[in-house]
Amino acid sequence: GDSVTQMEGPVTLSEEAFLTINCTYTATGYPSLFWYVQYPGEGLQLLLKATKADDKGSNKGFEATYRKETTSFHLEKGSVQVSDSAVYFCALRMASGSARQLTFGSGTQLTVLP
Amino acid sequence: EAGVTQFPSHSVIEKGQTVTLRCDPISGHDNLYWYRRVMGKEIKFLLHFVKESKQDESGMPNNRFLAERTGGTYSTLKVQPAELEDSGVYFCASSPLGNTQYFGPGTRLTVL
Repeated sequence: GDSVTQMEGPVTLSEEAFLTINCTYTATGYPSLFWYVQYPGEGLQLLLKATKADDKGSNKGFEATYRKETTSFHLEKGSVQVSDSAVYFCALRMASGSARQLTFGSGTQLTVLP
Repeated sequence: EAGVTQFPSHSVIEKGQTVTLRCDPISGHDNLYWYRRVMGKEIKFLLHFVKESKQDESGMPNNRFLAERTGGTYSTLKVQPAELEDSGVYFCASSPLGNTQYFGPGTRLTVL
């Protein structure tokens, strides 16, 4: 079945450091790919998405590129802030068919220190 | 516009008891999903409603779990009787047809 594997945490960085959270997927077709973020005490929020190969999703300084050849969707940010501390989830959803649910990775806890 | 709301935010019950979780989706969203995250692992799909109909309930773990969506509005998820392994965070999400899913803050369930 479809699955998502993401970098295990926790990850601790200093403010202004470069961030990479790795995400790879296994799917039988051509999924849409997502990064969701959960800030403390809040629900999951969509951070960015990409729907086809070579698409780049971006938001709030975060970027991720859909790489079909490596089945990856790594999340990057050039300079993290304390306010980026949260749990980050990589997810996929099949583009067609009856399965409309999201398949998530296990989440990566990010802590940014001042 | 109000987001997805869930009630309660936290529930602590004893093994064998019954708990009912509630989700109010964003108004007008026909699709409603339930997910669960157990012990810091991945978030797993439970089921999907389209209006009041169950579109996919393949993720429901067993028959102790019962989900309803009366009138295609809010949804409830009942666990009866609760077991220790049911502890986790239960998320609800809603979406218009085929689009981005908007998540609620989750209900943290602790079964003692």
